[in-house]
Amino acid sequence: DIQMTQSPSSLSASVGDRVTITCRASQTISTYLNWYQEKPGKAPQVLIFAASSLPSGVPPRFTGSGSGTEFTLTISSVQPDDFATYYCQQSYRIPWTFGQGTKVEIK
Amino acid sequence: QEQLQPWGAGLLKPSETLSLTCSIYGGSFSDYYWIWIRKSPGKGLEWIGEINHSGSANYNPSLRSRVTISVDTSKNQFSLKVNSVTAADTAAYYCARHARNNYHYLMDVWGKGTTVTVSS
Repeated sequence: DIQMTQSPSSLSASVGDRVTITCRASQTISTYLNWYQEKPGKAPQVLIFAASSLPSGVPPRFTGSGSGTEFTLTISSVQPDDFATYYCQQSYRIPWTFGQGTKVEIK
Repeated sequence: QEQLQPWGAGLLKPSETLSLTCSIYGGSFSDYYWIWIRKSPGKGLEWIGEINHSGSANYNPSLRSRVTISVDTSKNQFSLKVNSVTAADTAAYYCARHARNNYHYLMDVWGKGTTVTVSS
């Protein structure tokens, strides 16, 4: 299985801060990398697919980058609605696997 | 906008069979794979398996021996069965749609999680 490792596991940020989350794959996955946001009591939603593409409706303050084994999710100016848990997921090979999650909390 | 709604028994005893169904409202059933995922404190998000409208399924090797995913196109539903459950199967279970965008797959529609607890 391809192991996905996220860092940090949690972080505190103030509204307006720039936030960066890193995801590393145990082997190269090209750009087959997705990011999801999960809020308590709600279904997860996809933020980024193919490492850097935004689905329609996702605010442009979310950007994804990377290829191979190292990827980042950046929130350019974190908003109150962005405090949530973020997961990366590889879509390169079955079994699809997720990172352990990064919880973004209010400072 | 397509919506997914999982439902099924939420409390099981060890060795029983977990049975969940996901109903799909709106949208096309035949253009996608349909996924089961679970989230537990010990293992985070774990892909269980997926199925398409014709019944072609893929499973996580770690669960393959105990899991069956099936589809009922007449009802726009797909189902999950996990045999011989233990406390390790206690989790929030999600159903989701697996969509293809060019050569990339993404889980673009999710149902809310349904909690399954295994306890004697």
